[in-house]
Amino acid sequence: DGGITQSPKYLFRKEGQNVTLSCEQNLNHDAMYWYRQDPGQGLRLIYYSQIVNDFQKGDIAEGYSVSREKKESFPLTVTSAQKNPTAFYLCASSTTGLRNQPQHFGDGTRLSIL
Amino acid sequence: DAKTTQPTSMDCAEGRAANLPCNHSTISGNEYVYWYRQIHSQGPQYIIHGLKNNETNEMASLIITEDRKSSTLILPHATLRDTAVYYCIVRADNYGQNFVFGPGTRLSVLP
Repeated sequence: DGGITQSPKYLFRKEGQNVTLSCEQNLNHDAMYWYRQDPGQGLRLIYYSQIVNDFQKGDIAEGYSVSREKKESFPLTVTSAQKNPTAFYLCASSTTGLRNQPQHFGDGTRLSIL
Repeated sequence: DAKTTQPTSMDCAEGRAANLPCNHSTISGNEYVYWYRQIHSQGPQYIIHGLKNNETNEMASLIITEDRKSSTLILPHATLRDTAVYYCIVRADNYGQNFVFGPGTRLSVLP
């Protein structure tokens, strides 16, 4: 079945380490997104990409980096510069041909600091 | 900031209709209304969206007032599995506009 796969489901990071969260989609969507969710709060946009080899900062990009080398993949790296990385991270994708189309989400990666 | 206002929480009896309200009094002419829900520890699930006409799909119905300043999501026969946080979002129909999720409404379906 088509969908968005995020891995791992749970991730633990030591202080000072970079970690990379995986997001893969087989929906043939052009656009992909990364969000962060803190307990009891809504989602906040980190980065998004409308097309391969191009991406834009969202509202809270500091301490994060992304790449978009393939249409299907949009990995997110949480760097040591992100001072409060513990959160639930969600990846989404959407088509761009019809601009009112909804985003579809993966099941998230929960990142914790050891 | 989210452009919508929703009640913090609601209860609904199993088997009854769940009516979730959303105010979006500053909505613009090119902004759609989207509804998502999120079950604990999962990603948000798309439910339905619309511009000005009422919409229905296999999951729910969306009723948008004529002035478009508010809408209601209707789950016609709520089940325990519908217990989730429901998000109402307005988003313009253009590139670069992204979904802004507020805190949503926590719906509890009670047996």
